[in-house]
Amino acid sequence: SQTIHQWPATLVQPVGSPLSLECTVEGTSNPNLYWYRQAAGRGLQLLFYSVGIGQISSEVPQNLSASRPQDRQFILSSKKLLLSDSGFYLCAVLLRENTEAFFGQGTRLTVV
Amino acid sequence: AQRVTQPEKLLSVFKGAPVELKCNYSYSGSPELFWYVQYSRQRLQLLLRHISRESIKGFTADLNKGETSFHLKKPFAQEEDSAMYYCALSGTSYGKLTFGQGTILTVHP
Repeated sequence: SQTIHQWPATLVQPVGSPLSLECTVEGTSNPNLYWYRQAAGRGLQLLFYSVGIGQISSEVPQNLSASRPQDRQFILSSKKLLLSDSGFYLCAVLLRENTEAFFGQGTRLTVV
Repeated sequence: AQRVTQPEKLLSVFKGAPVELKCNYSYSGSPELFWYVQYSRQRLQLLLRHISRESIKGFTADLNKGETSFHLKKPFAQEEDSAMYYCALSGTSYGKLTFGQGTILTVHP
């Protein structure tokens, strides 16, 4: 079965600093990968998704970017964090043969 | 555009009472609907999906296309049901999910 590793679990970063969140998947190949964010008082919002290496689609305009350098690695980045980037970030994987999404443990990001 | 609405942010019931978590959606095509749950200190995980038509942990959800609803029900709530519940819709390609705002269910002893 697949395993999703997401780190770090919590992160406090100053405004203007860079960001790199990593997500890796084990136990499957060629999955669809997703980054979701939950901002305070809001539901989970899809930020990016990827259907293959190097393929990134952005769902909402924002200060963040994503990359997929390897089949089972998905990275969320920012060059300069804003206060509004604070939130709970979740990595998810969708297996090709299934419609059920599996989620990582999440990263609580606080920008101060 | 697709949208999922969960009107209740918080829901409290007593153990043994029936519980219903509401979910309404907006989508022009034929959606696939899910309920995801996050228990304390655990990952977000799938509870059930409408195409399965099955009961999981005593919960059921029926898709009502006329009312565009997918309410989650359980006749007798248990304390271990306390969690955050998300209703989600997948209507487009690539498995993208649109989530509702979530409902925190608290079951009191």
